[in-house]
Amino acid sequence: AQTVTQSQPEMSVQEAETVTLSCTYDTSESDYYLFWYKQPPSRQMILVIRQEAYKQQNATENRFSVNFQKAAKSFSLKISDSQLGDAAMYFCAYHSNAGGTSYGKLTFGQGTILTVHP
Amino acid sequence: KAGVTQTPRYLIKTRGQQVTLSCSPISGHRSVSWYQQTPGQGLQFLFEYFSETQRNKGNFPGRFSGRQFSNSRSEMNVSTLELGDSALYLCASSYGLAGNNEQFFGPGTRLTVL
Repeated sequence: AQTVTQSQPEMSVQEAETVTLSCTYDTSESDYYLFWYKQPPSRQMILVIRQEAYKQQNATENRFSVNFQKAAKSFSLKISDSQLGDAAMYFCAYHSNAGGTSYGKLTFGQGTILTVHP
Repeated sequence: KAGVTQTPRYLIKTRGQQVTLSCSPISGHRSVSWYQQTPGQGLQFLFEYFSETQRNKGNFPGRFSGRQFSNSRSEMNVSTLELGDSALYLCASSYGLAGNNEQFFGPGTRLTVL
């Protein structure tokens, strides 16, 4: 079974600064997807960024980028120019592309609470 | 396009009762997944439906069940409620089989079992 670990329960950053959230995962599969989701205090989960395991290039979405190290099974999220609206719980998630019993199942890490200081 | 909607948003039940939660996916989405979120266990996968068929089920007891209708709306049912079932229940929809399709989450149903 796959596991996802976020070792930082809480992180804080000053507005306009850069912060990196860590995520490691364990899997024996080679074909999978990795995600970062954001859950603001209102509780609606929003997809931040997605990485396909077979793509070597790191995904970027505006101020959000990832450092995907497949061999190390590491998937960190970098937020540049942090804004007050970035404050939320961030979840790293894994989805197998093997089909079968993997359908629809996201495996989440425990989450990192990000605080942004003005 | 309307997002994923879940009803009710809040629910209070007592032990032993049963509850049904509803999820309406984004129009055109055929896959609905359900998750339980608690402070202690985090986010855990319950099950996933695609075109009215359950494709996958997480490690939850048989008291947790679900179904999907022809219009892709989904319901989950929890029978003989226990205190530990208190949680935020999230559903997520995607166009095709989740994975290479983004899962869009609803606001959740907060269930409190007394």
